[in-house]
Amino acid sequence: NAGVMQNPRHLVRRRGQEARLRCSPMKGHSHVYWYRQLPEEGLKFMVYLQKENIIDESGMPKERFSAEFPKEGPSILRIQQVVRGDSAAYFCASSPGQEGEQYFGPGTRLTVT
Amino acid sequence: QKEVEQDPGPLSVPEGAIVSLNCTYSNSAFQYFMWYRQYSRKGPELLMYTYSSGNKEDGRFTAQVDKSSKYISLFIRDSQPSDSATYLCATRDRGSTLGRLYFGRGTQLTVWP
Repeated sequence: NAGVMQNPRHLVRRRGQEARLRCSPMKGHSHVYWYRQLPEEGLKFMVYLQKENIIDESGMPKERFSAEFPKEGPSILRIQQVVRGDSAAYFCASSPGQEGEQYFGPGTRLTVT
Repeated sequence: QKEVEQDPGPLSVPEGAIVSLNCTYSNSAFQYFMWYRQYSRKGPELLMYTYSSGNKEDGRFTAQVDKSSKYISLFIRDSQPSDSATYLCATRDRGSTLGRLYFGRGTQLTVWP
């Protein structure tokens, strides 16, 4: 029973490039959440999606960041024109329902040079 | 004021000790409480999930919630070196932000043999 899968595990981008992070939820889970973890800080909520719908994006920066969870395929977090401040660990979590327990993936560590 | 406050430690204890980890929260609308364990450079792992005030026990772990004082605790009995990790408390409400988790900064625990 595979858990939440994220790829790539490590991503290096130069300033101005685009970063694309993928998340495949656990089998049977249709709710996906993205969180960001900066050094010495806790996890911060970014966005909550269901299949083909954004439920809550109140934690996501208004510019350069977008997320989707298409009918087929993984959820994607896209960061355009990356800056050094985007360097962080990005975690995806999934749950079977809105009130269900959230299970996290191993994360993608983004480094912007 | 942050939604969830957690002392980052670090906390260092000998093997076999009882560990007490604590968080406070500010929003009385928070109804669900979780503890996650995060090993270095890994994703958070769900340890405990509780809804009501009182105690919930699972093996060597006990989660305690006091809604009247907005205080949550995790106790680890007979601590082991393998318990060395960062422990994150998390909570969420049943209102408009249902789904998103609010995390504490995490407490770094070291159990030495």
